[in-house]
Amino acid sequence: DAGVIQSPRHEVTEMGQEVTLRCKPISGHDYLFWYRQTMMRGLELLIYFNNNVPIDDSGMPEDRFSAKMPNASFSTLKIQPSEPRDSAVYFCASRWDGMNTEAFFGQGTRLTVV
Amino acid sequence: GENVEQHPSTLSVQEGDSAVIKCTYSDSASNYFPWYKQELGKGPQLIIDIRSNVGEKKDQRIAVTLNKTAKHFSLHITETQPEDSAVYFCAARAFTGFQKLVFGTGTRLLVSP
Repeated sequence: DAGVIQSPRHEVTEMGQEVTLRCKPISGHDYLFWYRQTMMRGLELLIYFNNNVPIDDSGMPEDRFSAKMPNASFSTLKIQPSEPRDSAVYFCASRWDGMNTEAFFGQGTRLTVV
Repeated sequence: GENVEQHPSTLSVQEGDSAVIKCTYSDSASNYFPWYKQELGKGPQLIIDIRSNVGEKKDQRIAVTLNKTAKHFSLHITETQPEDSAVYFCAARAFTGFQKLVFGTGTRLLVSP
């Protein structure tokens, strides 16, 4: 398996534009997580899915953020409209169900909103 | 909810020295404690983990210790090498309830030749 695949690797957009980040988890994994990483706040969990169902979205900063997982092999994180303070690296991670299993991270998407 | 604190935020050592990073957690239900290494431009990668029924685990030059009573765990790297330079994150998760992995704030380790 190629691991967790995220696209794009880099995204530069203007304030007010819609941004869509994509993630392909490792095949067979039951959990998918979206994290945001900034210097100020470190790694923050935004939302996670179990078997394609959103379980906890309490970390989503505001209504401008939304995430979907239409099937077991694809998830999106959308920001609409984007703002400069959304600039960060966004990571997707996945893991199997079961006690204490490892989460595998993608390479991340570096988002810059100007 | 769970809160994980990590110290120090930066650590500079000479090649060959040991490095120790410490974390504390707040939720007594947490029972899984992984450590991740993040190199520049990459996602975090698991380097070692420990479960609550174990007090210590070792893998070559890295080891992790867990004190459940005091709710703290530590990462020990011996004989450090320049390629150990990275940001290290501790994390904690409970098996029951929401299975959120809560991360510490990270330690930037710099190993000088």
